[in-house]
Amino acid sequence: DAGVIQSPRHEVTEMGQEVTLRCKPISGHNSLFWYRQTMMRGLELLIYFNNNVPIDDSGMPEDRFSAKMPNASFSTLKIQPSEPRDSAVYFCASSFVIISGTGDQPQHFGDGTRLSIL
Amino acid sequence: GQNIDQPTEMTATEGAIVQINCTYQTSGFNGLFWYQQHAGEAPTFLSYNVLDGLEEKGRFSSFLSRSKGYSYLLLKELQMKDSASYLCAVRDRDGANNLFFGTGTRLTVIP
Repeated sequence: DAGVIQSPRHEVTEMGQEVTLRCKPISGHNSLFWYRQTMMRGLELLIYFNNNVPIDDSGMPEDRFSAKMPNASFSTLKIQPSEPRDSAVYFCASSFVIISGTGDQPQHFGDGTRLSIL
Repeated sequence: GQNIDQPTEMTATEGAIVQINCTYQTSGFNGLFWYQQHAGEAPTFLSYNVLDGLEEKGRFSSFLSRSKGYSYLLLKELQMKDSASYLCAVRDRDGANNLFFGTGTRLTVIP
């Protein structure tokens, strides 16, 4: 079974450039999550979608960050303009939720995108 | 706010038993998850607790006390491959399925 697929695996770009991260969730999953991981702050939730609808974007750092989920099999996280402090590993995760917030449905993570902004 | 605390680092000997603790203070509670993350890799699901008590899964067990806001992950018969970060995550009752993660405990297993 294919897991969560993220691209690119690595991205190095100069500050001010637009960065687009992509995610394909596990087929059949109805919830998708974007996380950012740094040594200092650990794993932080940026935004999550349920049935392609953004539910909570309170973790998005600022207006430079935006996320979309045009269909059940694809999501993007965009940073424009990028800054050096955005350097981190960005993970996408998906899960299947029957009833909101119940049961032991774990989130399955992609391999992440290691982003470096120079 | 949400607060989840874990020790930053631990070291244990191959073949031994190690207990990784997690304490949490969250606005709601609807389950606690443990994840394993090897360096440079994605977190992978280990265990889930929503009721008080011990859940055993092979060499790994996880315990929960909701009244104390406390959980631990117990690793038995440690192997070198168990060297990794272990992340404690709490699902907030008010959320659909979002998790709040601790910063993780980096476990080093030595021969």
